[in-house]
Amino acid sequence: AQSVTQPDIHITVSEGASLELRCNYSYGATPYLFWYVQSPGQGLQLLLKYFSGDTLVQGIKGFEAEFKRSQSSFNLRKPSVHWSDAAEYFCAVGRGGSQGNLIFGKGTKLSVKP
Amino acid sequence: GAGVSQSPSNKVTEKGKDVELRCDPISGHTALYWYRQSLGQGLEFLIYFQGNSAPDKSGLPSDRFSAERTGGSVSTLTIQRTQQEDSAVYLCASSSAFNTQYFGPGTRLTVL
Repeated sequence: AQSVTQPDIHITVSEGASLELRCNYSYGATPYLFWYVQSPGQGLQLLLKYFSGDTLVQGIKGFEAEFKRSQSSFNLRKPSVHWSDAAEYFCAVGRGGSQGNLIFGKGTKLSVKP
Repeated sequence: GAGVSQSPSNKVTEKGKDVELRCDPISGHTALYWYRQSLGQGLEFLIYFQGNSAPDKSGLPSDRFSAERTGGSVSTLTIQRTQQEDSAVYLCASSSAFNTQYFGPGTRLTVL
């Protein structure tokens, strides 16, 4: 069965430091992969997505993610974190490829130290 | 353009009452999804509508939960005889292609 694992429940980084949030997936075929961000009391905002092609994808707010098939990973990165990046981040895989529901990881809560 | 909207934003109800939650998807999106977000369970899929096809109800937790989508647009999620464990944030999403789902702000349901 498809699944998504985000090993880190909570991460704290200093403002200006680099960030990497880990995501591992289990999926039989080429996955459709997504990262979403959720600020407190808000809905989910799409940061970036991977369907095919270039394995390094750029998203909004300066985020990028790299798809590594050999490691079944889709880690999210940002070179310099801003205080406004404090939020919860969810990795997801699309069940059934281009349609069907998303399967989400449990999320990683990011705190930013001044 | 307008995003996905949901109403009400908050709903407080008493155990045993029925509730209806509404979702207005992005215009032109053929797919609509309902998810539930709770502290213990994370984000769970509930139901999925794609065009005129029969909905995928595989995520509904019990027969107290049902949903319909009228005219291929607005959707209503109904929970009958609410229980305290139904307390959660109910999120709606819509999609047009490649499963890129856009989410609404959610409805926070509290069952007393």
